[in-house]
Amino acid sequence: GAGVSQTPSNKVTEKGKYVELRCDPISGHTALYWYRQSLGQGPEFLIYFQGTGAADDSGLPNDRFFAVRPEGSVSTLKIQRTERGDSAVYLCASSLGGAAWDSPLHFGNGTRLTVT
Amino acid sequence: GDSVTQMEGPVTLSEEAFLTINCTYTATGYPSLFWYVQYPGEGLQLLLKATKADDKGSNKGFEATYRKETTSFHLEKGSVQVSDSAVYFCALINSGGSNYKLTFGKGTLLTVNP
Repeated sequence: GAGVSQTPSNKVTEKGKYVELRCDPISGHTALYWYRQSLGQGPEFLIYFQGTGAADDSGLPNDRFFAVRPEGSVSTLKIQRTERGDSAVYLCASSLGGAAWDSPLHFGNGTRLTVT
Repeated sequence: GDSVTQMEGPVTLSEEAFLTINCTYTATGYPSLFWYVQYPGEGLQLLLKATKADDKGSNKGFEATYRKETTSFHLEKGSVQVSDSAVYFCALINSGGSNYKLTFGKGTLLTVNP
């Protein structure tokens, strides 16, 4: 079956521009996660959705970052006034929900964002 | 806060060599421990896990044992193959905190040569 799909796979934007990154989770997965992976680092948690609502957005670095999941399926990560420090690979994952040690996360291939 | 420390890479081995990638952690409570693998051009995928002390996770010939006394979860494989070339991430979830939030190490790049 289809895995987690992220689009675009690569995005180059100029400093100060607005970007949207899309995630299509596995069908039937109620939990959705966004992580950010900077060069040479492991993925870092950004936000977690259970259904339509953001259950935990404590990892979003500042108020330029926002994510939505209006119908409980597709999610969009939105970054306003991009900065060069936002350059990273943005990973989306989904799961059946519940504790992550019982319900493994399935990751997409990521969107590589480059801010020039 | 919680943290995971992995051995620095890259690691380069010949086919059929023995592999160890060290991982230690710091966490309050009783974390669950994971190894994730990222093959070239693919997304992260769960390789194995252990949810309590002395548990051994295993998959595809890889093993790791949850050692609470040394706060470690080292990944081992007796005989690596070229197809094992990938980036390996150690990670934890702290059961005393958010049960959905993974904390990852920096990753270790493994290259296996024929």
